[in-house]
Amino acid sequence: AQKVTQAQTEISVVEKEDVTLDCVYETRDTTYYLFWYKQPPSGELVFLIRRNSFDEQNEISGRYSWNFQKSTSSFNFTITASQVVDSAVYFCALSEASNAGKSTFGDGTTLTVKP
Amino acid sequence: DTAVSQTPKYLVTQMGNDKSIKCEQNLGHDTMYWYKQDSKKFLKIMFSYNNKELIINETVPNRFSPKSPDKAHLNLHINSLELGDSAVYFCASSQRLAGSGRETQYFGPGTRLLVL
Repeated sequence: AQKVTQAQTEISVVEKEDVTLDCVYETRDTTYYLFWYKQPPSGELVFLIRRNSFDEQNEISGRYSWNFQKSTSSFNFTITASQVVDSAVYFCALSEASNAGKSTFGDGTTLTVKP
Repeated sequence: DTAVSQTPKYLVTQMGNDKSIKCEQNLGHDTMYWYKQDSKKFLKIMFSYNNKELIINETVPNRFSPKSPDKAHLNLHINSLELGDSAVYFCASSQRLAGSGRETQYFGPGTRLLVL
């Protein structure tokens, strides 16, 4: 069975601080996909990244970066120099190849960035 | 032009009614999805539809049924609505369901369903 744990329920930082959102997953599959999504206060869902289990290269996109560590089953998300607009709920998700289309979400981490 | 659109944005209805939520994507994607976000903000995938193959999350009651008249549409029908169906329903699409690519998913704005 697949499982995603986002241990941090809420995080609060001051603007320009770096912040890391943790995501730990469990799966028995060797092929799987990991995702991060953002849900700002307005309520829409925004896809941030999808990574497959064979692609352990870390990714950087502007102020966002993701660290995929298979050894610790983690897919952490770091925002550098946070901004107020980064305030949102962030969800990590896992989809096993053997259960393609049945992704499991973490409970989300609410990030508040204060000016 | 909106990439993924949903109608209606808000839906208030009585228990026991049957309702539909429509979803359309103009991205030419092969795969569409329905997600449910409950009052506690927990997200769950309900269905994936890829090249006429429907993948169902087994926890979804069979009162929920997706219907795809064509590749650009995946509508959600709900029969005999219950109070617990109150949630926000998101439609999404992506180029492919699986694969080694880094496919992007695009979400609709959500439909807020309230069952009284």
